[in-house]
Amino acid sequence: KQEVTQIPAALSVPEGENLVLNCSFTDSAIYNLQWFRQDPGKGLTSLLLIQSSQREQTSGRLNASLDKSSGRSTLYIAASQPGDSATYLCAVIGYNQGGKLIFGQGTELSVKP
Amino acid sequence: DTGVSQDPRHKITKRGQNVTFRCDPISEHNRLYWYRQTLGQGPEFLTYFQNEAQLEKSRLLSDRFSAERPKGSFSTLEIQRTEQGDSAMYLCASSLGVAGNTIYFGEGSWLTVV
Repeated sequence: KQEVTQIPAALSVPEGENLVLNCSFTDSAIYNLQWFRQDPGKGLTSLLLIQSSQREQTSGRLNASLDKSSGRSTLYIAASQPGDSATYLCAVIGYNQGGKLIFGQGTELSVKP
Repeated sequence: DTGVSQDPRHKITKRGQNVTFRCDPISEHNRLYWYRQTLGQGPEFLTYFQNEAQLEKSRLLSDRFSAERPKGSFSTLEIQRTEQGDSAMYLCASSLGVAGNTIYFGEGSWLTVV
């Protein structure tokens, strides 16, 4: 059974700092991994999708990496801003999961001005 | 706005009442998913459809829960005889084609059972 874990559960940083969020998964037989952002009381916004054959994806100040063999992904946020404050969720779709996403519990990020 | 719309956005109901949520996926998407999310947790899978066929149901989906997707377009999630433990956000998502494509989520429907 696929399990996804995110560390840390919460993170507070000063504005301008670079930061890394971690995600690990137990079954490496995945199609892809997605990172999402969720603002309080809102739905999920897809940030980056990394296919299993890829090592990383970049969008603006965000860079996500994937090491499938070790079951790890990181989301790097450069030059953090208060507007980045949100919960970040990672999720995987595995070969044995019927096409559905399995989520971690999220990392709540607070960027202080 | 991802193009997945959910209605209503918020629902307060008394314990024992029935509630129904509707989801309209992105128009050409053949896969539709329902998830439930409680505070401080990641979304948990409930069920998904490919076109009008319900392909998988989670053990979380008790007998009081039913989902339909007539004609493979919009979907409804009904909760009968609501309990306080049903209070959560119910998220709908859709995707195109086979497993592995990007899944897009709606804004969610908040349910509070009092």
